[in-house]
Amino acid sequence: EAGVTQSPTHLIKTRGQQATLRCSPISGHTSVYWYQQALGLGLQFLLWYDEGEERNRGNFPPRFSGRQFPNYSSELNVNALELEDSALYLCASSLGSLPVGAKNIQYFGAGTRLSVL
Amino acid sequence: KQEVTQIPAALSVPEGENLVLNCSFTDSAIYNLQWFRQDPGKGLTSLLLIQSSQREQTSGRLNASLDKSSGRSTLYIAASQPGDSATYLCAVNSGAGSYQLTFGKGTKLSVIP
Repeated sequence: EAGVTQSPTHLIKTRGQQATLRCSPISGHTSVYWYQQALGLGLQFLLWYDEGEERNRGNFPPRFSGRQFPNYSSELNVNALELEDSALYLCASSLGSLPVGAKNIQYFGAGTRLSVL
Repeated sequence: KQEVTQIPAALSVPEGENLVLNCSFTDSAIYNLQWFRQDPGKGLTSLLLIQSSQREQTSGRLNASLDKSSGRSTLYIAASQPGDSATYLCAVNSGAGSYQLTFGKGTKLSVIP
């Protein structure tokens, strides 16, 4: 069974440009999460989508946005790129909203490394 | 706001040693805690998930414990091997209807042959 896949593997952009990152979840998973792993900052939660809707977002500016398609794949868009947006962007998927206390294991993709020059 | 701290930031041990990685979190109202492994330039691999009602989980040479009241978790690795070299991340799910994880910055483990 295929795991979480992300594309592209690497992306090089210049300041001010827009970047689009893509994620395909594990078959049967309806929730997709985006995380940013910048050097020295650790993994930071960006966005959570479930059943096509944005359920929660982390402490990031509005130029970070995304969407989830009917097949549950997802896009992360970063507008007006800044140098500090350079990071590894990880996507994870899980089963959808579960009862409180149920296991909700997130499975991660290999990430997209975004470099902003 | 939940904060997760992992100590030490880096650890180097000779092959065959048993070792313990530590994780602490500030808000004890969590739903579960996960330990992940990350190899250089790669994504995360889930190792163990402990529900808030559990005290420990075991998988092979790995054992994770959870003391929710004190805000601590440990990952015990028995008989370490060079292939265990990686960064180990601890993450908590604080729930409240949201499933995103709050991560520590990780412990970079090097197992020397």
